[in-house]
Amino acid sequence: SQTIHQWPATLVQPVGSPLSLECTVEGTSNPNLYWYRQAAGRGLQLLFYSVGIGQISSEVPQNLSASRPQDRQFILSSKKLLLSDSGFYLCAWDSSNYGYTFGSGTRLTVV
Amino acid sequence: GQNIDQPTEMTATEGAIVQINCTYQTSGFNGLFWYQQHAGEAPTFLSYNVLDGLEEKGRFSSFLSRSKGYSYLLLKELQMKDSASYLCASPFSGGYNKLIFGAGTRLAVHP
Repeated sequence: SQTIHQWPATLVQPVGSPLSLECTVEGTSNPNLYWYRQAAGRGLQLLFYSVGIGQISSEVPQNLSASRPQDRQFILSSKKLLLSDSGFYLCAWDSSNYGYTFGSGTRLTVV
Repeated sequence: GQNIDQPTEMTATEGAIVQINCTYQTSGFNGLFWYQQHAGEAPTFLSYNVLDGLEEKGRFSSFLSRSKGYSYLLLKELQMKDSASYLCASPFSGGYNKLIFGAGTRLAVHP
């Protein structure tokens, strides 16, 4: 079966520290992968998407970067976190004609 | 450009019917999705409309009018567990199935 894993579930990080969030997909090959962020009480903002290994497109210029070192692995990173990076980060893959399947999300609090 | 609008909040009574509206403006249309998101959780797929008309799925139905750029989600026989945010989304016409989300409608169901 096809599943998507995302970790960690929660993270509290100090300002200026680095960040690495990982997402992996099982049961499919060459998926389109996406990173979204959801600020408290707000909608989902598309951050990055990838259509293949090493291919990353950025939607919003900011303090974050993404990488896709393997076909089913998508990583969101930052070298130095800002307070404004706090939010709920969601990884998703384009599972079918029925939109996305989302990972369980990472709630990041930058303090 | 793309723009998706939906009401911020709605309240309803258990057992009642509620309609959540969504209007969209896109340079190309590739379907309209509805997702449900409980607090602190990832969104889950509810419905997908690409043709005009009503699609019924148990207690939930979704309607689309492409000429009016309008959709609604109809929830019948409301239950307390239906308290959640409902997100309207449409694929970006630029390709790669990038979903653009509305800000979501927070529905509170009261006894």
